[in-house]
Amino acid sequence: RVTLRESGPALVKPTQTLTLTCTFSGFSLSTSGMCVSWIRQPPGKAPEWLALIDWDDDKYYSTSLKTRLTISKDTSKNLVVLTMTKMDPVDTATYYCARISKCISTSFAFDIWGPGTMVTVSS
Amino acid sequence: QSVLTQPPSVSGAPGQRVTISCSGSSSNIGAGYDVHWYQQLPGTAPKLLIYANNNRPSGVPDRFSGSKSGTSASLAITGLQAEDEAHYYCHSYDSSLSDSVFGGGTQLTVL
Repeated sequence: RVTLRESGPALVKPTQTLTLTCTFSGFSLSTSGMCVSWIRQPPGKAPEWLALIDWDDDKYYSTSLKTRLTISKDTSKNLVVLTMTKMDPVDTATYYCARISKCISTSFAFDIWGPGTMVTVSS
Repeated sequence: QSVLTQPPSVSGAPGQRVTISCSGSSSNIGAGYDVHWYQQLPGTAPKLLIYANNNRPSGVPDRFSGSKSGTSASLAITGLQAEDEAHYYCHSYDSSLSDSVFGGGTQLTVL
């Protein structure tokens, strides 16, 4: 059974750096065509794609946020880490990690999601 | 404002059929990029409902179906049930933005 779970601080201060960890099981990020992505969803709004890392360690970022984001993986520990710098109250959202099992084109679907972790940015 | 436009809300009575539209442009749906649909029940993570325009993941009832034509896509739900009350989001890729994009979402109310 495939599962993903996000972890990280529930509260960060403005200007701080957010570090989130996605721990997964049931698949390997070394398998060709496999990717893990981060998506966030502000309260009452639609999801927003943030970043993606693939089986070959290629990384892709949201155009509007790429200067603030870094994604990395530890295949042996089955985890993916996202850092976001210069946090602002508008970054308050639920942050999800999700698996992409057919990550061979830009038309990918997020087939399994973690439950999400709520992050509030406030002083 | 998303580049994929969905109606904010739709409703239907139990047993009825409803459709949710997702309107895009020549840089996303019209460019041939696949459309995916997600269902989000209150307080939970989105769940993949339809992938690559008209394919259902294992376990998704055949009451749910997807279609795509030109610069738009649609999600159809037949035999509406109370448990279908949720938010629904379409998702695709936009080549002008070079980003994976979601629609603004549609709240389905079962009357």
